[in-house]
This record gives sequence, structure tokens and C-alpha cells, in this order.
Amino acid sequence: ILNVEQSPQSLHVQEGDSTNFTCSFPSSNFYALHWYRWETAKSPEALFVMTLNGDEKKKGRISATLNTKEGYSYLYIKGSQPEDSATYLCAFIGGTSGSRLTFGEGTQLTVNP
Amino acid sequence: DTGVSQDPRHKITKRGQNVTFRCDPISEHNRLYWYRQTLGQGPEFLTYFQNEAQLEKSRLLSDRFSAERPKGSFSTLEIQRTEQGDSAMYLCASSSIEEQFFGPGTRLTVL
Repeated sequence: ILNVEQSPQSLHVQEGDSTNFTCSFPSSNFYALHWYRWETAKSPEALFVMTLNGDEKKKGRISATLNTKEGYSYLYIKGSQPEDSATYLCAFIGGTSGSRLTFGEGTQLTVNP
Repeated sequence: DTGVSQDPRHKITKRGQNVTFRCDPISEHNRLYWYRQTLGQGPEFLTYFQNEAQLEKSRLLSDRFSAERPKGSFSTLEIQRTEQGDSAMYLCASSSIEEQFFGPGTRLTVL
């Protein structure tokens, strides 16, 4: 059974704060790590697909890093805005798990104006 | 809209009834996935199609569940004799290579 864990489970920040979340996953047999943002009543939106150790990816104010040797990824949001409020999910693909995504439980972010 | 669509968005049913959900993937995508999300958990994999072939099924998919993708385009997920434990969000995703694009989900409530 693959164990993908995210912390914290929930986070409340003020508009303008920067924040970060952690995703930990099995360090052996790694293939890829995906980050999604899921707003209520909408489809989960793909943020990043990360495959190489040391990868850093950026999309506007959101960035992510990947450490496959120790099995973790960080997602950073710089200058949080109320529209960043959502659940952020990471999902792991192992080398022997085909293309199925194994998700963490998510981090629920609330940005207060 | 060229994204993944799912129908219905919400379904309320009584225990013991059968329900069927539909997923229309992005047209050029040959891979289609079903996931289920229950409260407080991340989505869990149910099954995967490449074109019309069902290549993988999770142990979560009991014999009351069946999925089809008859012509390699849309897919249906049927649950027979629903139970209260089947209440969840059912998500469909499609992909061509790596990135999976999700639909908005069907929320099932079994009374």
C-alpha cells in the first residue's frame, strides 16, 4: 500500500501571507508527482507534474520543489490571495503502479481578506 | 467547452437502487480513469481504460460496480444495489500522456 501524506490538513492565512505545504511519498520506485488545486464545485486543476529529483516548477505565484531521494515535495504560494482558497492535492505515481494516481488527503487553504 | 464532462453532477438515490454515471473525456485522450473521493480523504483510484480496454481495476471496485467504455470514447460507471457506504464524489479523468485532466465529478448520496 502506497502512503502519500500531506501536511498540514488545513491552513488559514491572511491575504498577502506566503505559505507552504508538504507532500511526502515513498522514495523508492518513484515515477512522478502531480500537484492539483481543487476549488469547491469545480474540477481539480492540474498545477504541476514533477519527475526529476531537484525539479523546481513555477506558475505565477505558486511554485513547487521535488526531492525524490528523501520522498517529499513542497508547494509554495507567495502573497496569498482569497482566490487561492482551495484544497491542494498531491498525487504520486510509482514505477510499478501503471498510470494510477495515489493521492494524499489534501491541504485545505483558506485565505482571509 | 473542451474539458472533461460528467453527468449527472448530483445524484440522490435510495439504498438498493442502481445508478449509472457518465463521463465524456477530452476527445483526443485515449486513457480514462475513475476515482472516488469520500469526505476527508483524497481521491482513490477505481479503474482505468486505454481506449476501450479496461486495463486495471482496484480492489475497491466490488462486484456491484461495473465500468465500460464501449467505443473508446465516453465511459459509464454503474453501481448496482447501492449502499450508504457508496456515498461519495465520483471523479473521471482523461489523459493522453502524463497529465490527467479531471471532470467536476458526480456527487452520489445514498439514503
